[in-house]
Amino acid sequence: DAKTTQPNSMESNEEEPVHLPCNHSTISGTDYIHWYRQLPSQGPEYVIHGLTSNVNNRMASLAIAEDRKSSTLILHRATLRDAAVYYCILRDTLYFGNEKLTFGTGTRLTIIP
Amino acid sequence: NAGVMQNPRHLVRRRGQEARLRCSPMKGHSHVYWYRQLPEEGLKFMVYLQKENIIDESGMPKERFSAEFPKEGPSILRIQQVVRGDSAAYFCASSPGEDPPTNEQFFGPGTRLTVL
Repeated sequence: DAKTTQPNSMESNEEEPVHLPCNHSTISGTDYIHWYRQLPSQGPEYVIHGLTSNVNNRMASLAIAEDRKSSTLILHRATLRDAAVYYCILRDTLYFGNEKLTFGTGTRLTIIP
Repeated sequence: NAGVMQNPRHLVRRRGQEARLRCSPMKGHSHVYWYRQLPEEGLKFMVYLQKENIIDESGMPKERFSAEFPKEGPSILRIQQVVRGDSAAYFCASSPGEDPPTNEQFFGPGTRLTVL
């Protein structure tokens, strides 16, 4: 599986935008970039995913570099409920049966009131 | 539409006993995944099942652990002769199974297993 690298932790002030980076320099052409987050004492939840183009949904935006070797998850206006560990995950679309999620260490986001 | 349900939420077992964890996927989902999160560690994939079939068990320990997803009823993760190192949070996820590498997995709240 292609590897991702994320900062261990980040802090942000409440109601300000947050940019969470992810490096994936060995990404292959068939890898989708997925983001999940895990709130304290809960199961992970899906945030967003993309392949080449930037993506927006109600939770966040995903900005993907032109060479796809890095991406950034953007929370436009962080709230205290966004405090969580955020995981950047690559998923290969080439092989059926390869649906597992490979979680790294993620970025622990702390929101300062 | 109820989400992924797991029970029990908390399970305490003594060394040598069996632990049985249940997962009911979201309605209409035919794919189930089990993950384990050891204390202060990340989530690790264990097994991927479809109805009556194990698709990928590459993350399952070779002994004592088994999983099933029968035609009727919930998916079961069974741990025989538990040891203290099995203490962890076990999460189940489900997905519809369409376009599998891109669709999201929906996670349950987890079962926290404590082995005394």
